[in-house]
Amino acid sequence: GQQVMQIPQYQHVQEGEDFTTYCNSSTTLSNIQWYKQRPGGHPVFLIQLVKSGEVKKQKRLTFQFGEAKKNSSLHITATQTTDVGTYFCPASGTYKYIFGTGTRLKVLA
Amino acid sequence: GAGVSQSPRYKVAKRGQDVALRCDPISGHVSLFWYQQALGQGPEFLTYFQNEAQLDKSGLPSDRFFAERPEGSVSTLKIQRTQQEDSAVYLCAGGHGSGANVLTFGAGSRLTVL
Repeated sequence: GQQVMQIPQYQHVQEGEDFTTYCNSSTTLSNIQWYKQRPGGHPVFLIQLVKSGEVKKQKRLTFQFGEAKKNSSLHITATQTTDVGTYFCPASGTYKYIFGTGTRLKVLA
Repeated sequence: GAGVSQSPRYKVAKRGQDVALRCDPISGHVSLFWYQQALGQGPEFLTYFQNEAQLDKSGLPSDRFFAERPEGSVSTLKIQRTQQEDSAVYLCAGGHGSGANVLTFGAGSRLTVL
């Protein structure tokens, strides 16, 4: 599996503020996935990006895959308390997904 | 079943005891992964099965850890002579294909070693 670095590690935002987390790799990725893990829960799949420059939206969430397929971002518009959790961006070579430490988001009401 | 089922959800073991953690994946899931997640950390890869074949066990921390999936469905992760550093949540995840997969995780088994 290919490892990506994710920043920031932690982010506290006021409810209604926007939030972005970034994943960067030194090598070209074949694909990248995003998962969300609520406190006390397990990782839940959000989306997979495969194409260079791909942008996908899910309601307030916007996912991007860089043109060089070496970086990705997740942007949340107008955060809500339900967005609290840790967001992971594992990348895969053939089958193995390396998760890293993720970005822990806290939303203050 | 509708989801990935793991049991037990919680296990407390005395140091030195053996434990067995079970994963019942979604029917048809070819791939099965075990991950270990310590408090405040991301899931760490332990091992990977494609059907009944264990293709990668490079993440198993020591020879006290053993995993099997004899019939290509249910999998068991066994930890012998547990140590305090084995305390973690053990997550099982499955995927339909043999390559890059969307992973469906179970709720995990939380192991506490006293």
